[in-house]
Amino acid sequence: GQSLEQPSEVTAVEGAIVQINCTYQTSGFYGLSWYQQHDGGAPTFLSYNALDGLEETGRFSSFLSRSDSYGYLLLQELQMKDSASYFCAVDGGFKTIFGAGTRLFVKA
Amino acid sequence: GAVVSQHPSRVICKSGTSVKIECRSLDFQATTMFWYRQFPKKSLMLMATSNEGSKATYEQGVEKDKFLINHASLTLSTLTVTSAHPEDSSFYICSARQQGARNSPLHFGNGTRLTVT
Repeated sequence: GQSLEQPSEVTAVEGAIVQINCTYQTSGFYGLSWYQQHDGGAPTFLSYNALDGLEETGRFSSFLSRSDSYGYLLLQELQMKDSASYFCAVDGGFKTIFGAGTRLFVKA
Repeated sequence: GAVVSQHPSRVICKSGTSVKIECRSLDFQATTMFWYRQFPKKSLMLMATSNEGSKATYEQGVEKDKFLINHASLTLSTLTVTSAHPEDSSFYICSARQQGARNSPLHFGNGTRLTVT
């Protein structure tokens, strides 16, 4: 079967750094994506890793280790507006499967 | 950037009626579009893959006669919820990837919140 595991909830303070891990088990793999979703809104794309290593985009970075079937999203200099749900998603070639999501709460 | 437009954003209908949701790629062509369903505070569940000019591919457990998908052009896919029931109330989101762009991300519409009374 196919599965993605990520923590259900993370809490951090403003200005801190938080890491959201994702492990996956899928029949096909082309890449790992991260999406942000605020309550009531649509998911928005954050980053994508097709190869091992770190991808950096502003305050957000994403890491992938294909041999370990593992990736993470790193959020730096947290802001209140970063409070949202974060989904890892595997591009399996024909379709994209999402993890259950991690709700991030940023406290003042 | 790639934009996906979804309409309507919100709809309320009575049990037994049908509702059509449109998904358009505004500035790119998409031979494939994806329809997801999301319950409150839950993940996005892939319902079906919409293929331009051919039949949609449904995920296991999704009734194809209940959720009719039509992908008539390279920029438009529609999802029709037929004979809607209260348990069909949910957030439906479409997405698409730019044609020929293997590693490009999915671009999502803003979603349709369906309430069946």
